[in-house]
Amino acid sequence: DAGVIQSPRHEVTEMGQEVTLRCKLISGHNSLFWYRQTMMRGLELLIYFNNNVPIDDSGMPEDRFSAKMPNASFSTLKIQPSEPRDSAVYFCASMTGSVGKLFFGSGTQLSVL
Amino acid sequence: QQPVQSPQAVILREGEDAVINCSSSKALYSVHWYRQKHGEAPVFLMILLKGGEQKGHEKISASFNEKKQQSSLYLTASQLSYSGTYFCGKANNAGNMLTFGGGTRLMVKP
Repeated sequence: DAGVIQSPRHEVTEMGQEVTLRCKLISGHNSLFWYRQTMMRGLELLIYFNNNVPIDDSGMPEDRFSAKMPNASFSTLKIQPSEPRDSAVYFCASMTGSVGKLFFGSGTQLSVL
Repeated sequence: QQPVQSPQAVILREGEDAVINCSSSKALYSVHWYRQKHGEAPVFLMILLKGGEQKGHEKISASFNEKKQQSSLYLTASQLSYSGTYFCGKANNAGNMLTFGGGTRLMVKP
């Protein structure tokens, strides 16, 4: 199994630009999580999908952030417009069933200048 | 609400033991432990589902006290490979949404 695949691995952009992060789940997994990691705030849960449906997006910081899951195997996290304080490592993770273990992707290192 | 971990950082010599604590002000239905090495993604260590349950992974074990809403991770005879940041996670009552504590940075020196 290829594991959870994220792209790009690194993204450098200028303030105000739109950023799209991508995530491919492990086949058969039905839950998808987006996390953001910074030194100051640790590993924050942004949004959680179950069976393609957003269940909890209370962690999404602002309206500038949006996430979609157009099918069972793929998700995007979009930031528009991006700001320097959005700089962080963004992880997606997938899980099968409930109370299971999370499989993390390698993360996207985002730098907004 | 995120669980709270202590200590924030630990430095050990190879072969020494360490304990990392995780607590929650609200009910803990299950506790999940992950380890993240520098520049990598977090990796699953273990889940504890019942109060009093103890589990082990290599020489790493954990306990879960549901009443006290606490869990502890025990690292015995630490190895260089144990270095990294350890996170505890708590699930919601449905068991399917995981929030993490601030992490404990562990450094094992030769």
